[in-house]
Amino acid sequence: QKEVEQNSGPLSVPEGAIASLNCTYSDRGSQSFFWYRQYSGKSPELIMSIYSNGDKEDGRFTAQLNKASQYVSLLIRDSQPSDSATYLCAVNGGSARQLTFGSGTQLTVLP
Amino acid sequence: DAGITQSPRHKVTETGTPVTLRCHQTENHRYMYWYRQDPGHGLRLIHYSYGVKDTDKGEVSDGYSVSRSKTEDFLLTLESATSSQTSVYFCAISESPGQGAYFGPGTRLTVT
Repeated sequence: QKEVEQNSGPLSVPEGAIASLNCTYSDRGSQSFFWYRQYSGKSPELIMSIYSNGDKEDGRFTAQLNKASQYVSLLIRDSQPSDSATYLCAVNGGSARQLTFGSGTQLTVLP
Repeated sequence: DAGITQSPRHKVTETGTPVTLRCHQTENHRYMYWYRQDPGHGLRLIHYSYGVKDTDKGEVSDGYSVSRSKTEDFLLTLESATSSQTSVYFCAISESPGQGAYFGPGTRLTVT
């Protein structure tokens, strides 16, 4: 079983809608959670980090963490065509020296 | 953007030849990572370093070696390139894994 699972998608939403991206992880000791955005042909870009249960908002992006359910999500409000990309979830356990990545969800926002 | 450069950015090489990819950072971050990214497999960790001369293997380390003789440089060597090593290689740096990592622009390697 992969340690970090994401819906592979692809996910399509109309412009202006809310896009919801989901991620589950297997290591209950995980303490740090990240969302990366990767445009086609480009490198991953860190867009959100979350460390405690609940919601963290940054502009149109909201990360949600539920450690009891081992679940982290990313909501994108008022989705724009420029949000079309692959979104990668990454997790770090407290003592681990590296991040573990999910395989990513491809998002397309339709004009 | 984090100060990370990778060289070369593109390379075509023949099966059986050695290849070295370079990652250079100007951020003085302790941790450096080499990933490869292939369709259907996502990002897979090859090797990482947690300090000068301190390195460890990732999940796909066979056929690769690394060296880090100074904080700013992390080298990835394909000892004898094979077609299965055709991929996009990303270097990443981190001050602490708990704070996330920042990626370089990538190197596209083709082994013919």
